[in-house]
Amino acid sequence: QKEVEQNSGPLSVPEGAIASLNCTYSDRGSQSFFWYRQYSGKSPELIMSIYSNGDKEDGRFTAQLNKASQYVSLLIRDSQPSDSATYLCAVSAGGTSYGKLTFGQGTILTVHP
Amino acid sequence: EPEVTQTPSHQVTQMGQEVILRCVPISNHLYFYWYRQILGQKVEFLVSFYNNEISEKSEIFDDQFSVERPDGSNFTLKIRSTKLEDSAMYFCASSEWGRARGETQYFGPGTRLLVL
Repeated sequence: QKEVEQNSGPLSVPEGAIASLNCTYSDRGSQSFFWYRQYSGKSPELIMSIYSNGDKEDGRFTAQLNKASQYVSLLIRDSQPSDSATYLCAVSAGGTSYGKLTFGQGTILTVHP
Repeated sequence: EPEVTQTPSHQVTQMGQEVILRCVPISNHLYFYWYRQILGQKVEFLVSFYNNEISEKSEIFDDQFSVERPDGSNFTLKIRSTKLEDSAMYFCASSEWGRARGETQYFGPGTRLLVL
């Protein structure tokens, strides 16, 4: 069973702080990695995708991938109350399963003023 | 901005009844997906669909489930005889190519299905 595990939450940070979200995956053949944000009762919304080792930055968000350690993380700088949501890590395998996303259970982030 | 749409937003049905959930993927996308999320649980892959056939399906997608692209725009998920445990939010998603590394899947707003 290919698993995606996220650090247990909930995570609470003050406004303006850095929020750090972590994810590990079991399938070494995984090719693509995604962070989605999900507000309560809503659908997942893509924040970032990454598929090469290292860092990828987009505004206040930085995704980090370490394939050797099977680890992917998301840093949110200058956290805002509007960032309060559940963050989902999703992994796509290679080969014929490019499209199938395997999701982690999510980490609930609360940013308090 | 193009988006995936789903209807209905909510559906209540009796156990044993058939339901059809409808999705309109983004118009130039070629790969379509259904996921479900039981309340408080993970988002789970059900099926992927390309070129009018199933590309991959999960263990959840048993004989009670079927998918169809009845015309050039709609993509449907049918549950033949609903069970209580089918109660969940069902998300449709689409992607442009489906096999590009790092390619984004765009999710629809979901249909909340409640089986009584």
